[in-house]
Amino acid sequence: EVYLLESGGTLVHPGGSLRLSCVASGFTFSNYAMTWVRQAPGKRLEWVSTITTTETTYYADSVKGRFTISRDNSKNTVFLQVNSLRVEDAAMYFCAKPFRGGSMFAFDFWGPGTMVSVSP
Amino acid sequence: DIQMTQSPSSLSASVGDRVTITCQASQDISTFLNWYQLKPGKAPKLLIYDASNLQTGAPSRFSGSGSGTDFTFTITSLQTEDFATYFCQQYDNFPPAFGQGTKLEMK
Repeated sequence: EVYLLESGGTLVHPGGSLRLSCVASGFTFSNYAMTWVRQAPGKRLEWVSTITTTETTYYADSVKGRFTISRDNSKNTVFLQVNSLRVEDAAMYFCAKPFRGGSMFAFDFWGPGTMVSVSP
Repeated sequence: DIQMTQSPSSLSASVGDRVTITCQASQDISTFLNWYQLKPGKAPKLLIYDASNLQTGAPSRFSGSGSGTDFTFTITSLQTEDFATYFCQQYDNFPPAFGQGTKLEMK
């Protein structure tokens, strides 16, 4: 059974940094691109970042230059380093896995999320 | 970027009702559209992929249709566990984009 579990979310001040983690199990992690998606309170889901199997990375314009996605295949883990946090970055952050053989942006499994709060 | 417009934003219904949600893309996305269910504190759950295919394990009362720019998601005979928020998502063009969600509430 596929399982994704995020961690690392907490309350931080504007300008602060965090490292979010997502541990995966139940599939061959190294064979899949992995993605972070977030949802701010009362807002729609927003794609944040994707890392491919060859470690090519993609970022939303809203986080480019401040967030860094990475992966450790030996630990079945994808990370999101979030720097220079802004109030508008406060959200539930989810990691997601795509279907095998399809678009890397078509997600079939998600984790329950980790909450990032940003407040002075 | 493609914009996804979902409606209604909220919906009140009763157990046993038939419910329909629509999603419109700002440009043609063929059938590259998913529907998800989101409940507080839980992982989003894929229900429909490629616009009309039922995800393995999803109940058959969920269905989807459409192609191009206009899509529909239907729940026939609403169950108690279906009260949640539903999102559409396009994955035809980069960046992937989501609808604003439909919160399904008990009447």
